[in-house]
Formats: sequence, C-alpha cells, structure tokens
Amino acid sequence: QVQLVESGGGLVKPGGSLRLSCVASGFRFSAYYMTWFRQAPGKGLEWVSYISGPSSTIYYADSVKGRFTVSRDNAKNSLYLQMDNLRAEDTAVYYCVRDGSWHFDIWGQGTMVIVSS
Amino acid sequence: QSALTQPRSLSGSPGQSVTISCTGTSSDVGGYDHVSWYQQYPGKAPKVIIYDVYYRPSGVPDRFSASKSGNTASLTISGLQAEDEAAYYCCSYAGRYTPWVFGGGTNVTVL
Repeated sequence: QVQLVESGGGLVKPGGSLRLSCVASGFRFSAYYMTWFRQAPGKGLEWVSYISGPSSTIYYADSVKGRFTVSRDNAKNSLYLQMDNLRAEDTAVYYCVRDGSWHFDIWGQGTMVIVSS
Repeated sequence: QSALTQPRSLSGSPGQSVTISCTGTSSDVGGYDHVSWYQQYPGKAPKVIIYDVYYRPSGVPDRFSASKSGNTASLTISGLQAEDEAAYYCCSYAGRYTPWVFGGGTNVTVL
C-alpha cells in the first residue's frame, strides 16, 4: 500500500547533527514533490522544506535555511533531511509528506527529534 | 504565532454543526484557491480532509464541507459525531518562497 516510513530521529545536543530518512512505497516516488513538516510538542504544524521529483527545485523555511539540507534518491525511493547546528527550538516530530498537488495526501508516522543538553 | 488565525477550541453536541474559521491575508488564503484542511488525532499524523478550498478526498464523510470568502476559509462539520473530536488545521499556499502556511489548530470537542 501507499506509505511513508521515517527514521533517524533521536536525542542530540545543541549544535549537533541528525539525518532523517523516509522510505516511500506503493507509488511512483520520483513523480512527486516531497515535503518535510514538523510539529513541536503541543504546537501546530510548520512547513520545513520541499523538493521536486528531479531535485531541481528546493526550498526551505527561513527558520532552517542554511542549517538543514533536503535531498532524495529516487532509485531508492528515499527522502532525506540532513539537520546540522541543531537548536532547542528544532525539537519536534518531523513528518515526511507527499505533495498530492497543492495538498498533502500521504503522511509518514513521524520521527521525534529532541535537541537538549 | 501562526500565519493563519483559527479559534483555539470549539465544542458541540452530537448531531450539531460546528464551523471553524481560518483567517489569513490576500497573500495566502485570499490570493490562492489552495486551502486545505487536516484532521489530527493525538499522537497521530494529520490526514487531509479538504483540499483546494472545498474538495473532499475519497473516503472523507460528506458531513465535512468547506468554503472560502475573501481572506477567510471555513470548515463546517455537520452532524457532529464522537469520532470528530480532534484537532483541525487549515493550510494555505502562500507563494513560491514560503509556500505553505498553517493555522494554529482548533481542538474540537464533542460534548
């Protein structure tokens, strides 16, 4: 079935790095824009980054620009988020999400990132 | 502070209707017909229930309806059911460089 499965979250110290991964199945991964969202504990949703199918278009939220890098490997049906210089305010559940044409129709289960000393 | 403004909470009895507003600006809600709504249960990922202002994905009950007027979008849940108790988020396209903005979410309680 159509699904997204994230991994790579965990506890990291401020200034540290983490790499999130998302494996897609059940659809033609390369044909879709993919997006990362996050949700801080008890808070709302925040768009983080998106990447086009051929990786030719990439955008980041101002809050992560210069620290996070999104990438994908269409041969492996995989999406990545490299997070460097992490801050306490990056603590959140990170969701890998498929862009189903102007809306987000498939969500992963989320992976928790905690930035704390 | 979220870019789009939603009421923090609403409640209603089973069978009643509730309407959640989502107010933005001409740069987001008012400027594009790409408003979507997401339902989220605690500890779960969001699920799209409305896209492009008023379209329902297959499988979403027709008691969920939505509209937009000017800079404000609205989601109405008619015939409220216990399973509708959840958080609801609106989302709008806001242009090329910061494409997606959200409301802060509305917790709907079924009394």
